Amino acid sequence: NAGVTQTPKFQVLKTGQSMTLQCAQDMNHEYMSWYRQDPGMGLRLIHYSVGAGITDQGEVPNGYNVSRSTTEDFPLRLLSAAPSQTSVYFCASSYSQTYEQYFGPGTRLTVT
Amino acid sequence: AQSVAQPEDQVNVAEGNPLTVKCTYSVSGNPYLFWYVQYPNRGLQFLLKYITGDNLVKGSYGFEAEFNKSQTSFHLKKPSALVSDSALYFCAVRERGSSNTGKLIFGQGTTLQVKP
Repeated sequence: NAGVTQTPKFQVLKTGQSMTLQCAQDMNHEYMSWYRQDPGMGLRLIHYSVGAGITDQGEVPNGYNVSRSTTEDFPLRLLSAAPSQTSVYFCASSYSQTYEQYFGPGTRLTVT
Repeated sequence: AQSVAQPEDQVNVAEGNPLTVKCTYSVSGNPYLFWYVQYPNRGLQFLLKYITGDNLVKGSYGFEAEFNKSQTSFHLKKPSALVSDSALYFCAVRERGSSNTGKLIFGQGTTLQVKP
């Protein structure tokens, strides 16, 4: 199993550009989440999904969109990038709420 | 609102000494509790979890954690620290029940520095 994969590893955007961060898992997990990690702030939940077709907002959803058309994929879309979105983004998946989450390797995004 | 606090930004310990990384939480009911570790430029790795049962939970790499319901704490411990344990540690909590089932809330992280 590849586990949780994320692409790209690094990305530089200009303010106002849009892009999609890709996340895929091959473990047939129902739960998937997106987090951003900023120094001194831990991981903050952006959006999450409890199954295909079902998504919900986390702590910091503004400026981001998600969709879950398949169990495997959970892309995160930045609609109009802002410097405040400079961060490291992690995707995670788990079998259920009682199980641990598996994290991808992260995407380091810089918005200039 | 649910929250997780890790009161220490950094914990320093000498190799071979016991270590404790503290975590307290504010969540209604009995939550699911987790510890994760992050090595530089890597994603998070699962260490251990408390779901129910014995308050002392054993996990990977010799780590354990003690659930204390009255103090709403879930401190991470290890009897004898290794230099290779140096990393960033996160406590996380998920509400139990049918609502908010996808939300895992993290503390801000504690850097563990183990000196030879």
